[in-house]
Amino acid sequence: NAGVTQTPKFQVLKTGQSMTLQCAQDMNHEYMSWYRQDPGMGLRLIHYSVGAGITDQGEVPNGYNVSRSTTEDFPLRLLSAAPSQTSVYFCASRGSTGTSPEAFFGQGTRLTVV
Amino acid sequence: GQSLEQPSEVTAVEGAIVQINCTYQTSGFYGLSWYQQHDGGAPTFLSYNGLDGLEETGRFSSFLSRSDSYGYLLLQELQMKDSASYFCAVRDRDNQAGTALIFGKGTTLSVSS
Repeated sequence: NAGVTQTPKFQVLKTGQSMTLQCAQDMNHEYMSWYRQDPGMGLRLIHYSVGAGITDQGEVPNGYNVSRSTTEDFPLRLLSAAPSQTSVYFCASRGSTGTSPEAFFGQGTRLTVV
Repeated sequence: GQSLEQPSEVTAVEGAIVQINCTYQTSGFYGLSWYQQHDGGAPTFLSYNGLDGLEETGRFSSFLSRSDSYGYLLLQELQMKDSASYFCAVRDRDNQAGTALIFGKGTTLSVSS
């Protein structure tokens, strides 16, 4: 059972480039989220989804887009990378209300924008 | 909106007991969770309190008081491997009835021998 898989693990981008961070889960979870983690800032919510076709903004959505065409996949797109987006990005998934409260995280994508 | 406050750092020695506090402000409340993260790793789930009281899982316990908007994580018989960051997190009504977790900034625990 793979759980939550994120790719790539590391990425270096030039300012202005775009890219997509991939996230896939095989637990049939309805809820998926993207977070960024910066030193001393904890995990900040970027976007989240409550099911296929339904997404919403979190605390820090600017500069990022998401879509959820299937239950399994929840990609995060950086439209025009900026140095301020240098961070570690985590994808998480969780079952729907009434199931276990445990959220499962991918291993993270370490992104550097130069 | 929501906010969570927890100490930034805690130090302790092996075998000791340490308590990490978390106070929260939310527009709604669906429960308080705790996660552990080792350096370079992903957060992993430790415990969840949906109702007031104490939940025990081995050496770790978590407590919640909804009337005080307060909870804590208690780590007993500390081991070197417990050195990590610990995050409290809430499910908040603002995020489509609590579907997404909001995290505190984390507490770095350092355990020395």
